[in-house]
Amino acid sequence: DQQVKQNSPSLSVQEGRISILNCDYTNSMFDYFLWYKKYPAEGPTFLISISSIKDKNEDGRFTVFLNKSAKHLSLHIVPSQPGDSAVYFCAASAQGGSEKLVFGKGMKLTVNP
Amino acid sequence: KAGVTQTPRYLIKTRGQQVTLSCSPISGHRSVSWYQQTPGQGLQFLFEYFSETQRNKGNFPGRFSGRQFSNSRSEMNVSTLELGDSALYLCASSSMGRGLYNEQFFGPGTRLTVL
Repeated sequence: DQQVKQNSPSLSVQEGRISILNCDYTNSMFDYFLWYKKYPAEGPTFLISISSIKDKNEDGRFTVFLNKSAKHLSLHIVPSQPGDSAVYFCAASAQGGSEKLVFGKGMKLTVNP
Repeated sequence: KAGVTQTPRYLIKTRGQQVTLSCSPISGHRSVSWYQQTPGQGLQFLFEYFSETQRNKGNFPGRFSGRQFSNSRSEMNVSTLELGDSALYLCASSSMGRGLYNEQFFGPGTRLTVL
């Protein structure tokens, strides 16, 4: 039973264009959502997060949108850069503070120069 | 400030053996979580320790266990290794207690191969 789903395993975009990474969840108890980026041979690095009381959070080139009714969130990267090429994980947490993160299986983003 | 460190980085064991992995959290962080990453399942939560007590547990068999010491360092043990235990084991630390969401900082992981 996968509670956090990243249905597309990979995405390829041109440098300078927008990258949109999608994530769906099934558990209504999730109230905090995060995106992590992972390079090979390194641990995941926190990118951006959003609380369920918001529908948008922006940090520089990265914006996360949350649609609670659809149980869907997306990460927008504008403009995309070759250094953004990595595996991106969507994660969710329930009950306002649990350290237990439920991760999606990840999506490999490739940004071509 | 030093990041999360994990030792060893790579480990090769045979079926039936046991293994102990170590994690040192960021200084001042009291919560340590362990995750298993495999190509088919992604990252799966194993357990979390806070102030030497297991606070959360994932859906893994009893062969997987852990503990946390008074200095917040944590160890994870897997007994009677199976081929399917081959994975990247990630440790993450965070600073605050229950009730407030805390960003988790991950270590580089220990790559375990079971032959």
